Amino acid sequence: ETGVTQSPTHLIKTRGQQVTLRCSSQSGHNTVSWYQQALGQGPQFIFQYYREEENGRGNFPPRFSGLQFPNYSSELNVNALELDDSALYLCASSFFYSYEQYFGPGTRLTVT
Amino acid sequence: GQNIDQPTEMTATEGAIVQINCTYQTSGFNGLFWYQQHAGEAPTFLSYNVLDGLEEKGRFSSFLSRSKGYSYLLLKELQMKDSASYLCAVGSGAGSYQLTFGKGTKLSVIP
Repeated sequence: ETGVTQSPTHLIKTRGQQVTLRCSSQSGHNTVSWYQQALGQGPQFIFQYYREEENGRGNFPPRFSGLQFPNYSSELNVNALELDDSALYLCASSFFYSYEQYFGPGTRLTVT
Repeated sequence: GQNIDQPTEMTATEGAIVQINCTYQTSGFNGLFWYQQHAGEAPTFLSYNVLDGLEEKGRFSSFLSRSKGYSYLLLKELQMKDSASYLCAVGSGAGSYQLTFGKGTKLSVIP
């Protein structure tokens, strides 16, 4: 059984650019949640996907968007990058009715 | 919205017991979670409480009082490897769990 994986590990982008981050959920998990963690802070909920549809969204602007694919993997897209988007982006997978979420190692995004 | 408060930093001695408190105000609640996060790593699940009372799991215990909006994580027989950030989170959502995290408590275990 493979755990949650994310790619890339690190990424450097310029302000105004667009970025796509990827997450492969743990085998069998049908729900993926994305979180943003700024340095020294706790993770902030961005959104959650279940059965390829958004199932809840945190306080993030529309330039943060996502997708979930039939194999339950997921993408996070961020348009018009801002300096404050620099953070660790974590995805977590779970079964929909399960309280236990398994986090991936994260993607460290730096916006310059 | 959600508001979650926990101490920023704590220090404790190897072998001792430490209690990390968390208070929360929430507009939706389907559980109180504790996660451990070592520096540069992903959070790992420690505990889940949805009913009032104490849940014990080895050296770690977690307590919840929903009426007081209060939880604590108790770590016994501290080990050096317990040095990490401990994140309190409130779950919300219908059928699923969307977590709102506190800022985390950085615990340093000293010899």
